[in-house]
Amino acid sequence: GEQVEQLPSILRVQEGSSASINCSYEDSASNYFPWYKQEPGENPKLIIDIRSNMERKQIQELIVLLDKKAKRFSLHITDTQPGDSAMYFCAATLNQGGSAKLIFGEGTKLTVSS
Amino acid sequence: DTTVKQNPRYKLARVGKPVNLICSQTMNHDTMYWYQKKPNQAPKLLLFYYDKILNREADTFEKFQSSRPNNSFCSLYIGSAGLEYSAMYLCASSHRGTGYAEQFFGPGTRLTVL
Repeated sequence: GEQVEQLPSILRVQEGSSASINCSYEDSASNYFPWYKQEPGENPKLIIDIRSNMERKQIQELIVLLDKKAKRFSLHITDTQPGDSAMYFCAATLNQGGSAKLIFGEGTKLTVSS
Repeated sequence: DTTVKQNPRYKLARVGKPVNLICSQTMNHDTMYWYQKKPNQAPKLLLFYYDKILNREADTFEKFQSSRPNNSFCSLYIGSAGLEYSAMYLCASSHRGTGYAEQFFGPGTRLTVL
């Protein structure tokens, strides 16, 4: 079936550096790409998203880039802090018969060390 | 209140026994989703209700049932649990409206089948 590939699965960075997570998708009709952050014991929470009519979006230290031609999108966290340590999931919509579903990547475990 | 609630948070079940998980939201969202999440795997969509219409994924069609007695509640039912059902079950809701919208996730129910 349709898949979203997410890399890397594990990412360790030093506090203050940048962290980048990359995702690719298969459905050229995908038009919405959210990123979720899940902390231990918590539910996944939307942190930033991008629609297909945009190439770049920034919310504070979070930047998402979308390359529709290559079917790739990425999350960049600048000036990482220990509080950014968590699991991060990318997702892309899969449109089937009028219904839009989210297909998730496998997740990236980010650890920011001080 | 943007909370999605799930009960119970932890569930222990015996092989061959039924399991019923409950999800509720008070945001008047028209769509409610159930995902299965296993360690080191992406959340996998099992089924979703758009209003009163149930959509089940083809590869999990026979394994899971669901009901939505009203807009606020949605259940996930396993008729006969197997060891492979041990996982985190995440409920989410969204308001589809005229376009795709953010999915709000509940805290999850951790099901352990023995």
